[in-house]
Amino acid sequence: GDSVTQMEGPVTLSEEAFLTINCTYTATGYPSLFWYVQYPGEGLQLLLKATKADDKGSNKGFEATYRKETTSFHLEKGSVQVSDSAVYFCALSGMTGAGSYQLTFGKGTKLSVIP
Amino acid sequence: DTAVSQTPKYLVTQMGNDKSIKCEQNLGHDTMYWYKQDSKKFLKIMFSYNNKELIINETVPNRFSPKSPDKAHLNLHINSLELGDSAVYFCASSQGRLAGTCFFGPGTRLTVL
Repeated sequence: GDSVTQMEGPVTLSEEAFLTINCTYTATGYPSLFWYVQYPGEGLQLLLKATKADDKGSNKGFEATYRKETTSFHLEKGSVQVSDSAVYFCALSGMTGAGSYQLTFGKGTKLSVIP
Repeated sequence: DTAVSQTPKYLVTQMGNDKSIKCEQNLGHDTMYWYKQDSKKFLKIMFSYNNKELIINETVPNRFSPKSPDKAHLNLHINSLELGDSAVYFCASSQGRLAGTCFFGPGTRLTVL
């Protein structure tokens, strides 16, 4: 079945540091890939997405590129802020046995940014 | 206006009780989901409904029963609650079966004592 593997946290960075959160996936076919963010005490919000190989998703200074050859979708940000502290989830949308699609999530990476 | 809302936000109850969590979305989406997030933040889909029809039913105890009275609502009823049911339950919605951009509710934290 489909699976998503992302780097284990927690990750602690100083403000303005460079962020990379690694994500690799296993899926049949050509899934769409997503990064969701969960701020403390809240539900998940879509951060960015990419629907085909070599697509780059970007939002709020975050970027991720769909790499089919390495089955990866690593999240990057050049300069993190304290307000970026959250849990980040990599996910893919793949087909189920019943012919519909569902999101499969990685285990989440907690990011803490300190001033 | 809240796009996906859930009630209650917190639910504390005794083992063996029956409880329900309600979810409503005002986005006009035709597909709704229930996810369970455990204490380690791991998210797993439980159910999915498209136009009130059950399309995904993962390996979930039959004590859990979803009900979709219309496209905008997907409620979750849990019978005979167990300690292991303690988790945060998220409702979500999307347009179409492709499970693309999902909008999540704020979650319901269920604690079973």
